[in-house]
Amino acid sequence: AQSVTQPDIHITVSEGASLELRCNYSYGATPYLFWYVQSPGQGLQLLLKYFSGDTLVQGIKGFEAEFKRSQSSFNLRKPSVHWSDAAEYFCAVGALHNNNDMRFGAGTRLTVKP
Amino acid sequence: DGGITQSPKYLFRKEGQNVTLSCEQNLNHDAMYWYRQDPGQGLRLIYYSQIVNDFQKGDIAEGYSVSREKKESFPLTVTSAQKNPTAFYLCASRGPEGNTIYFGEGSWLTVV
Repeated sequence: AQSVTQPDIHITVSEGASLELRCNYSYGATPYLFWYVQSPGQGLQLLLKYFSGDTLVQGIKGFEAEFKRSQSSFNLRKPSVHWSDAAEYFCAVGALHNNNDMRFGAGTRLTVKP
Repeated sequence: DGGITQSPKYLFRKEGQNVTLSCEQNLNHDAMYWYRQDPGQGLRLIYYSQIVNDFQKGDIAEGYSVSREKKESFPLTVTSAQKNPTAFYLCASRGPEGNTIYFGEGSWLTVV
């Protein structure tokens, strides 16, 4: 079964600084990969997704992520963080042949310093 | 607007009582899901349904029940058998393009 690891529980960055959130997955075949963002007390909003093709995917709110098969990683990046980006970020992996077995990481909480 | 609506947003329950959380979607999605979220943890799958009148247990189904009588609706009942029900509950549905899952705004359940 697939699994997801987000090594960083909490990250603090200054406003305007660059951001990279790490995600490592375990899956035997080509995975479907996702990043979601959650504001406190709210549902999860899809930031971006990777199914196939170009390994650098662009998402909403200026985020991008790069799929690296050799490293089993799908790290999320943003060149310049805004205070409104403070939230919890979840990486998820889904299976091609089992649509109902999506696995989520434990999340990374992002704090943005003024 | 198209989306997933969960109600109520906040719910308090006394120990020993059953409670039902509502989830309605107007996205015309076939598959629907219930997840539980606890602080510092990721999402854990409670139940899912791929089609009307069919549903399957997820990883933590004990103490929960669901029904899927209509495509738009997938209510979750938290029974008195659930030993630690205080949590944030998220309903979701899956779109036709790949495996993308879309979420509702969540419901907070507190047992008092």
